[in-house]
Amino acid sequence: DTAVSQTPKYLVTQMGNDKSIKCEQNLGHDTMYWYKQDSKKFLKIMFSYNNKELIINETVPNRFSPKSPDKAHLNLHINSLELGDSAVYFCASSQQNKKGQGQYFGPGTRLTVT
Amino acid sequence: AQKITQTQPGMFVQEKEAVTLDCTYDTSDPSYGLFWYKQPSSGEMIFLIYQGSYDQQNATEGRYSLNFQKARKSANLVISASQLGDSAMYFCAMRGGYSSASKIIFGSGTRLSIRP
Repeated sequence: DTAVSQTPKYLVTQMGNDKSIKCEQNLGHDTMYWYKQDSKKFLKIMFSYNNKELIINETVPNRFSPKSPDKAHLNLHINSLELGDSAVYFCASSQQNKKGQGQYFGPGTRLTVT
Repeated sequence: AQKITQTQPGMFVQEKEAVTLDCTYDTSDPSYGLFWYKQPSSGEMIFLIYQGSYDQQNATEGRYSLNFQKARKSANLVISASQLGDSAMYFCAMRGGYSSASKIIFGSGTRLSIRP
C-alpha cells in the first residue's frame, strides 16, 4: 500500500501547455505539501495545505495553482508551461503538531518541458 | 531568517566504516525541529531521523544517530557500520516550531558514496 502516491511519474510536454499532477495520501495526515527539486537537487517548498486550507504559499509564479478537494488529495495545475518549470515535483504529507514526525514524500513527478 | 548549510557536496567512505554528515543551521525561533532525509538514486525521499530543539538526548534510529550540538547550531548525522545501500544523497532540513504553518527548509545535500 503506497502511503503517498503521485501521478504521473513522468510528464513530457511542450512549452505553453497546461498540465496537472495529482497527489493522494492514505496516512490520515491533515497537511500536504508540494516541493520542487531542481537539476542541482535543491529542494524548495512551493505550497502547503492544512485540512484543505492554503497555509504556505511561497514565491511561486501564479501559473502554478494548487487545489485540495479534501485533506487526502492535493493537486498541482500548471498553466503556460515554461522551460524553467522542468524539475522533479514532490508531494508530501504530515500530521500537524505531531512532534517528531517527518514528512512522508511521494515518489516524485519528473516534468520535462521542451 | 532560517538557513541550513551542508558543506560537504560529496563524500566517499569505505564499507563498514562510520560516517558523519555535517549540517549547521541558523534560526531565531526558540523552538524548532531538525530532520534528515535520504534520497537514493531511485529518487524517492526517505525520512530518517528527527531532533527537537528541546530534546535532552540525541536522537537515534537504528544505525542512524543525530549529533545535536545546540550551542554550535549543528545537527550532524552519524551512520554507523555503513553499507553499500547507504549510497545516496542526504538532506538536512529544519522547521521552526511544530506547526505545519512553519515551512521546512532543506540544505543543499551531501552525496554519500560507499566503497566496497
